[in-house]
Amino acid sequence: KAGVTQTPRYLIKTRGQQVTLSCSPISGHRSVSWYQQTPGQGLQFLFEYFSETQRNKGNFPGRFSGRQFSNSRSEMNVSTLELGDSALYLCASSLWGQGMNTEAFFGQGTRLTVV
Amino acid sequence: ELKVEQNPLFLSMQEGKNYTIYCNYSTTSDRLYWYRQDPGKSLESLFVLLSNGAVKQEGRLMASLDTKARLSTLHITAAVHDLSATYFCAVDGINTGNQFYFGTGTSLTVIP
Repeated sequence: KAGVTQTPRYLIKTRGQQVTLSCSPISGHRSVSWYQQTPGQGLQFLFEYFSETQRNKGNFPGRFSGRQFSNSRSEMNVSTLELGDSALYLCASSLWGQGMNTEAFFGQGTRLTVV
Repeated sequence: ELKVEQNPLFLSMQEGKNYTIYCNYSTTSDRLYWYRQDPGKSLESLFVLLSNGAVKQEGRLMASLDTKARLSTLHITAAVHDLSATYFCAVDGINTGNQFYFGTGTSLTVIP
């Protein structure tokens, strides 16, 4: 069974540019969450999508956005990049649903460096 | 906002010794997870604890959950070098969908 796939694995962007990251969840999983990991702030929740709808959103500026497609694949976009956006971005997929096992499986991450 | 605290932040222990990592959280939740992260890698799921009193064991690691005390522990028995990694606990906030609040992580180094 394939795991969670994130592309690309590494990115280098310049301040002011925008970037799109992709996440393909485990087959059958409908929930996709995104997290930002930095040495200073640790792991922080960005947003979660379930059946193409954003269910939850963390405390990040509007430059961070996402979407989910009908096949459950998700993308996140960061516009007007800042140096502080340099981080490891992790995607997690789970079945999630009322009464269901909520275990989340993480992808390998996308390492974004903003210069 | 739900807060999750782990201690210690750093742990250096000799092979063969036992130790416990603690995870406290600030609000009611009955779902707690432990993950392991190796340097430069993603998060690997270790344990899923879904009810008060839950105890799970895998090899030299054992995790438990006390929802009344809002405390989970990860106990390491007879540590070996391969256990060197960063360990995170995460709490799933009730009624917030699949949104995890992570602890700060415990960086474990096992010294031969």
